[in-house]
Amino acid sequence: HSALTQPASVSGSPGQSITISCTGNTNDMHSFAYVSWYQQHPGKAPTLVIFDVNNRPSGVSSRFSGSKSGNTASLTISGLQAEDEADYFCSSYAARDTRVFGTGTQVFVL
Amino acid sequence: EVQLVESGGGVVRPGGSLRLSCAASGFTFEHYPMSWVRQSPGNGLEWVSGISGNGGSRTYGDSVRGRFIISRDNAKNSQYLQMNSLRPEDTALYYCVRVIIGSLWDFDYWGQGALVTVSS
Repeated sequence: HSALTQPASVSGSPGQSITISCTGNTNDMHSFAYVSWYQQHPGKAPTLVIFDVNNRPSGVSSRFSGSKSGNTASLTISGLQAEDEADYFCSSYAARDTRVFGTGTQVFVL
Repeated sequence: EVQLVESGGGVVRPGGSLRLSCAASGFTFEHYPMSWVRQSPGNGLEWVSGISGNGGSRTYGDSVRGRFIISRDNAKNSQYLQMNSLRPEDTALYYCVRVIIGSLWDFDYWGQGALVTVSS
């Protein structure tokens, strides 16, 4: 079972902003200093959209941003678009040089 | 173009073994740590294992430690996952992934996956 908890689903209308939370034990997750976020469309492999809490890989839209506070990391998608409808997974560097994924969140664009 | 192509998936009985392979191309393989990530049907992602560029350092997730062995052959631009003592809960699509250099197991390229089914 996963050590990072995410909401099962989040929805929003086009143009709106949504935020996906990711909660875990910060003692096991290096204080969430190395949180990443992946987007996965149906039938496709995941793609990295945020790394090290709030950094975007080259080519990822600036509409994606990350943050953390306490034992919660968050991914915000602003200016929601139809193409953002996908599954999103948080991921954290963890004890014993491992990485743990979150439970995943389905994003629906209404 | 970076390509990662998995092979070796299939159906195996509980307690059995299977070896996955991943052929890499389009980049200098020995420079990159590599990893395996799995996804069970309809479920989330699980990091399985990782290996350094020279193969000298290996690490495993809690659920597979002691049963799975990761390895690589830089001369063949390939990595492998030897899976022993397989359980039904190991049933999943296994992705070969390239690790971003200098990162703590972040991934920039994924293969299309190899399906492993553990069932009697």
